[in-house]
Amino acid sequence: GQNIDQPTEMTATEGAIVQINCTYQTSGFNGLFWYQQHAGEAPTFLSYNVLDGLEEKGRFSSFLSRSKGYSYLLLKELQMKDSASYLCAVRSRADRGSTLGRLYFGRGTQLTVWP
Amino acid sequence: DSGVTQTPKHLITATGQRVTLRCSPRSGDLSVYWYQQSLDQGLQFLIQYYNGEERAKGNILERFSAQQFPDLHSELNLSSLELGDSALYFCASSVGAGDGNTIYFGEGSWLTVV
Repeated sequence: GQNIDQPTEMTATEGAIVQINCTYQTSGFNGLFWYQQHAGEAPTFLSYNVLDGLEEKGRFSSFLSRSKGYSYLLLKELQMKDSASYLCAVRSRADRGSTLGRLYFGRGTQLTVWP
Repeated sequence: DSGVTQTPKHLITATGQRVTLRCSPRSGDLSVYWYQQSLDQGLQFLIQYYNGEERAKGNILERFSAQQFPDLHSELNLSSLELGDSALYFCASSVGAGDGNTIYFGEGSWLTVV
């Protein structure tokens, strides 16, 4: 099975840097995704890691350590519009007989950015 | 705009009724996923189709069913509705099989069962 943990809530101020951690236990790991979701809206794709290390994309970076079952999303130069829920999702290794793997989501971290 | 289209955006219905949610994947995507998001459960995977065939099943109730049609659009059928089925239902799509396929979500269908 899958077990994905991330903090429920975080707060930060505009211009600051915040790190959202995610730990996971999975029977077969095949990639980790971060999504941003504003209340009542669709999750939008932020980043994807399948190998260890840091992936940087503008103000957002994501890190993965497969041996530790750990990832973080780093948000720099925070803006008010970054207030949202951030979802960590793990792709499982495909079931036998299939080349597809499904995505398991954590409960999300609600980030509030204060002026 | 992710390119995934879902209808209806909002739906209010009574307990015991049946509803159908519709999804059109992004152009070129062969895989369609259905997720349920409620306040207390987070995003829960329901079912996945690839090129018309069911490929993975999650926490989908027997009262729920889905299918993917030859034109690749998908429908999620919810029957004998209960109050607890009130949730936001997301459809998502990806190019297809294999690693690294990013899943893109539609705007969701808000279902309220009264």
